Amino acid sequence: DTAVSQTPKYLVTQMGNDKSIKCEQNLGHDTMYWYKQDSKKFLKIMFSYNNKELIINETVPNRFSPKSPDKAHLNLHINSLELGDSAVYFCASSPQYSGANVLTFGAGSRLTVL
Amino acid sequence: KQEVTQIPAALSVPEGENLVLNCSFTDSAIYNLQWFRQDPGKGLTSLLLIQSSQREQTSGRLNASLDKSSGRSTLYIAASQPGDSATYLCAVDSGTYKYIFGTGTRLKVLA
Repeated sequence: DTAVSQTPKYLVTQMGNDKSIKCEQNLGHDTMYWYKQDSKKFLKIMFSYNNKELIINETVPNRFSPKSPDKAHLNLHINSLELGDSAVYFCASSPQYSGANVLTFGAGSRLTVL
Repeated sequence: KQEVTQIPAALSVPEGENLVLNCSFTDSAIYNLQWFRQDPGKGLTSLLLIQSSQREQTSGRLNASLDKSSGRSTLYIAASQPGDSATYLCAVDSGTYKYIFGTGTRLKVLA
């Protein structure tokens, strides 16, 4: 019973296309995140949402548009894909903000832009 | 701005050895610190979370310590096994709805 699930797991597309990655969590968590892991395996926060509200937008180009229809879902839409967008995108969630804020990750979505 | 560094970047040890992975952070005002494991091509698995008021946490052969004042955490792995081979990441929660990740330590345990 997957806690944080992302689809698709792999995505190969041409430059200039628009694509979406979906994320769902069944943990009842209030906060959800998108992280990007580059080719050097460095993980960097992109967005965080708390109860459907955008909290953090970490200077991500506006070609990236997250959408949270409810607190269990956080989708990521990317317009006009560029070569540099190739990376693994991880969705994560955590309980309402507290000292014991355990972060739970999805399996990742590997995006390759040709 | 919080920065998190992990040393060493890579480590190769024979099976059975005890080992220590290090994590340093620049801003000591943290809520908690979490250690993760990432297997190749997979997501991250949470290993241990230490709240700012705690000094250490233990789970099986793993022990994580936290020294907020010096901006350091260590992950101690006892009696290492080949199945421990993975990349280990520490992440710091500074109370800003984002975890800042370290650069990771790639561990290989040789049989």
